[in-house]
Amino acid sequence: GQQLNQSPQSMFIQEGEDVSMNCTSSSIFNTWLWYKQDPGEGPVLLIALYKAGELTSNGRLTAQFGITRKDSFLNISASIPSDVGIYFCAGQPYDSNYQLIWGAGTKLIIKP
Amino acid sequence: DVKVTQSSRYLVKRTGEKVFLECVQDMDHENMFWYRQDPGLGLRLIYFSYDVKMKEKGDIPEGYSVSREKKERFSLILESASTNQTSMYLCASSYPGTVNEQFFGPGTRLTVL
Repeated sequence: GQQLNQSPQSMFIQEGEDVSMNCTSSSIFNTWLWYKQDPGEGPVLLIALYKAGELTSNGRLTAQFGITRKDSFLNISASIPSDVGIYFCAGQPYDSNYQLIWGAGTKLIIKP
Repeated sequence: DVKVTQSSRYLVKRTGEKVFLECVQDMDHENMFWYRQDPGLGLRLIYFSYDVKMKEKGDIPEGYSVSREKKERFSLILESASTNQTSMYLCASSYPGTVNEQFFGPGTRLTVL
């Protein structure tokens, strides 16, 4: 099936650093979503993007829907300890009403 | 708040056993989904349902079946569990007409010995 390339696979960050991660696809998506999964929990939606070029913020999080509709990025500014977890991108292909395609996830770890 | 609950957080079963994973949502969502999550592979869709008694195969349906007899409940069935089905299983639901904003349960970590 279709796949998203999400990078990096993991990130070691210091508290206060800015973080950036992205997803790319070989096909066009109608919607891009960013989820976060805390240990032992299911993913929770952070940001949803519906139009090419759209830039949306949610507190310290900012995400953009790429102009080509084949990519998206998520930035986290001034990271704090509770930002640790796994971040997933997901996209809805233009030819699907029901399915999301998921990235493999970016694991965010705070350096001791 | 939308609440999606899964019947067990941890489950240990033996090879060949029939396994039932239950999921219940309380927001009258029409769409429900079952995923499995494995390290480095993200979430892979097993089955989804867009209405009672309706089901569609996802990307990895082999070895699984589902049941949706009531709107709020979506069950995943492993007919004969195998060790390669050891995984985290996540249930999700979404509002009518959209699959975008999916609400997830806490997951069931299944180990098949």
